This record gives sequence, C-alpha cells and structure tokens, in this order.
Amino acid sequence: GQQLNQSPQSMFIQEGEDVSMNCTSSSIFNTWLWYKQDPGEGPVLLIALYKAGELTSNGRLTAQFGITRKDSFLNISASIPSDVGIYFCAGPNYGGSQGNLIFGKGTKLSVKP
Amino acid sequence: NAGVTQTPKFQVLKTGQSMTLQCAQDMNHEYMSWYRQDPGMGLRLIHYSVGAGITDQGEVPNGYNVSRSTTEDFPLRLLSAAPSQTSVYFCASSWKGDVYGYTFGSGTRLTVV
Repeated sequence: GQQLNQSPQSMFIQEGEDVSMNCTSSSIFNTWLWYKQDPGEGPVLLIALYKAGELTSNGRLTAQFGITRKDSFLNISASIPSDVGIYFCAGPNYGGSQGNLIFGKGTKLSVKP
Repeated sequence: NAGVTQTPKFQVLKTGQSMTLQCAQDMNHEYMSWYRQDPGMGLRLIHYSVGAGITDQGEVPNGYNVSRSTTEDFPLRLLSAAPSQTSVYFCASSWKGDVYGYTFGSGTRLTVV
C-alpha cells in the first residue's frame, strides 16, 4: 500500500537557522500537503501543492512538489521558537474514498533560543 | 466560527467500558474523518464520511463504530474499550471543493486502564 516516509524524524536547531525536511512516497501523488501540529493541538494545514515542480511559499515556509511526483520538500527559513512542533506531510489515499489522506510519521522540530 | 469541536478533551476508561467521542463542525463541510495518533506512528485513519448517512472504514477501524445522521456531527463510539485504544483522537472535516484541506479539532486524549 501507499506509504509516506519523512526525514529526519527529529531536528534540534538553533534559532535563526534554516530547516529542511522531506517526504518520499512509494507511489505517485498528484497532491502533496504539509501540516504543522503544535503541542497539544490538532494539525493545521500549512501548504498544499497540486502540480509537479510547483514551488509554494507561506511566509518563511517554502514547499516544493517533486518532479518525480514521489517526493516533496519543506523548508523553513530563519527559524523562531514558535516553529516548534511536528510537521507532517500528507497525500491522497488512492485506495480509499475521495478525500482520504495518508500521513507521514512526522518530523519533530525543536528550536533552541 | 468554532470550526471543529471535539469533546471531551481528556478521558480515562476502564477496560470493557464504552463511550462516545463527540465531534461537531459548523462549517457545513461534507467530509469528516476520525484519526488516531500514537507516538512514532503519525496519524492513522479510523473511519470516514463523505456526507450524512454515508460512512466508510479507514486503515484501523476495528473496535470503533461511527454514524453520520447530520452534516454537523460525526461521533466515534468505542463499544468495549481496550488498552490498545489508548491514544489521541482527532476529528477533521473538509468541504468537497477542497477535499484535502482538512480542518482538525484539538483532539481527545483517551487512556484505557
């Protein structure tokens, strides 16, 4: 079945540093999504990508839809303490009903002030 | 606009007890789903609904029942709680014009002893 592999599993960075994380799939996706989960809260959608090669920004966040359609990348520039949380990639579950999403296991980001 | 509301926020059950986790959304979203989040496992789909009266199983449906009698509500029932159901449960909704743009609730943390 479809799987999403996120790396790294966790990151410890200094405030002000840039962050890169990625997500790879065993199959092709036509949509990639990135969510962020703050401690004790539900995930919140950050960026949605709909075309191969697409590069989309949301403030200090930039995400790219890989050309092969089997990967996606999320970059955070000039990290700040409120960037702490778990970042999930997600994509459509083509084996399920329309609207089903499958999620990666997440990248946990810690920022040292 | 409250978004997606989950109740209760915390619950402790004894093995074998039953309970219902409530989920309500006020955005008139057609799609609603339940996920569970376990450490290191990401988010896994339990049950899903594309509209009132229509439900479907996700990746981990065993031990859970759902119904969707109204657009707004999508309760999740545990008929006989087991320790393996200790988890954080998230309800999410989306509208058919953006089926993958989920809005999540803030979660219910369930412990089964």
